[in-house]
Amino acid sequence: DIQMTQSPSSLSAYVGDRVSITCRASQSIGNYLNWYQQKPGKAPKFLIFAASSLQSGVPSRFSGSGSGTDFTLTISSLQPEDFATYSCQQSYSPPYTFGQGTKLEIK
Amino acid sequence: QVQLVQSGAEVKKPGASVKVSCKASGYIFPAYAIHWVRQAPGQRLEWMGWIIAGNGNTKYSQNFQGRVTITRDPSASTAYMELTSLRSEDTAVFYCARSVVPSSPAYSYYGIDVWGQGTTVTVSS
Repeated sequence: DIQMTQSPSSLSAYVGDRVSITCRASQSIGNYLNWYQQKPGKAPKFLIFAASSLQSGVPSRFSGSGSGTDFTLTISSLQPEDFATYSCQQSYSPPYTFGQGTKLEIK
Repeated sequence: QVQLVQSGAEVKKPGASVKVSCKASGYIFPAYAIHWVRQAPGQRLEWMGWIIAGNGNTKYSQNFQGRVTITRDPSASTAYMELTSLRSEDTAVFYCARSVVPSSPAYSYYGIDVWGQGTTVTVSS
């Protein structure tokens, strides 16, 4: 199975900050990397696919980059509604594994 | 609008089975795949398997092999996930979710774009 590892596991930041979350795959997955946002008690929300393509309706302050094994999610200017848990997922080959999540909290 | 609506919460005893439904609306059901994802309390999301709604082909995670069965009823635009031999570690929220049909040979696809609201399954004696 392809292992997905995120860092950091948690992150505190202020509204307006720029933050980045990294995701590393245990083998090359090309650009088959997706990012999701999840708030407590809610289903995940699809943010980014193909490593860097923004899903329709997602604010442009979210961006993704990377290919192969190393990927990054960046939020350019944190808004209050962005405080949530972010998870990466490889959709290259089954089982389609997820990272352990990064909890983004308000400082 | 496109949505997936799941059946309600379940409480089961160890060793029992549970079957969760996922009704799709707002899109052409056979044109997509439906995935099932488990999330135990405080744990990462865990992919269980998918079904291609059009032809019924399935693929399962080895972590659930032999215990999970995913089916669909195209006439009702509904997918189902049955998990057998339940144990306490199966206490979790189960999500159904939609993607385009994964492409062979590697079964790759670009993301899961629509999720159900989740179904809580509690396994307790």
